[in-house]
Amino acid sequence: DTGVSQDPRHKITKRGQNVTFRCDPISEHNRLYWYRQTLGQGPEFLTYFQNEAQLEKSRLLSDRFSAERPKGSFSTLEIQRTEQGDSAMYLCASSPRGVSQPQHFGDGTRLSIL
Amino acid sequence: GQNIDQPTEMTATEGAIVQINCTYQTSGFNGLFWYQQHAGEAPTFLSYNVLDGLEEKGRFSSFLSRSKGYSYLLLKELQMKDSASYLCAVRVFYNYGQNFVFGPGTRLSALP
Repeated sequence: DTGVSQDPRHKITKRGQNVTFRCDPISEHNRLYWYRQTLGQGPEFLTYFQNEAQLEKSRLLSDRFSAERPKGSFSTLEIQRTEQGDSAMYLCASSPRGVSQPQHFGDGTRLSIL
Repeated sequence: GQNIDQPTEMTATEGAIVQINCTYQTSGFNGLFWYQQHAGEAPTFLSYNVLDGLEEKGRFSSFLSRSKGYSYLLLKELQMKDSASYLCAVRVFYNYGQNFVFGPGTRLSALP
């Protein structure tokens, strides 16, 4: 168990640019989640995959955000035309099957928009 | 809508017993989780409740009352390393999937 891995750890970009983050879940976990967290707040749900299927997507998410998990393993989160308000920590989590199974979080990607 | 409330901050002395409350109004409830998050780090799992009652894991215990939409996390023998944010999260089921709704977190400071 090598844990959930996220890349990059930090991303600084100018407003209007596109960014892409990667998440590698724990290998036997079929469920994968993306969250956004700002300072002093709890994680805010963005989207959820079961294997390669994207089963839930937050209504708060604008169409500038898209996520994929093409082979049911790693996932990518892309933000197009970034805005100041996108500055946050983006967390990925994974969990195995089972209703009592908790999520295991990665260390996150911190995005700063200049 | 889905809503979870927790106190924003708490302070307690080393060795004390601390209770962190969480109230929720959600539809599709299917379990409540507590996570610990140290500053700048990822959340880590502490406990899980899906039925009413108390679950104990070492110095940490968690209680759930589904009829009242209420949970608490109990920390015994508070240590300095327990200074962190504590997140209450409710899992909700939809037709085809699930979602976790997190509260704002309670920032706990342990004092010597």
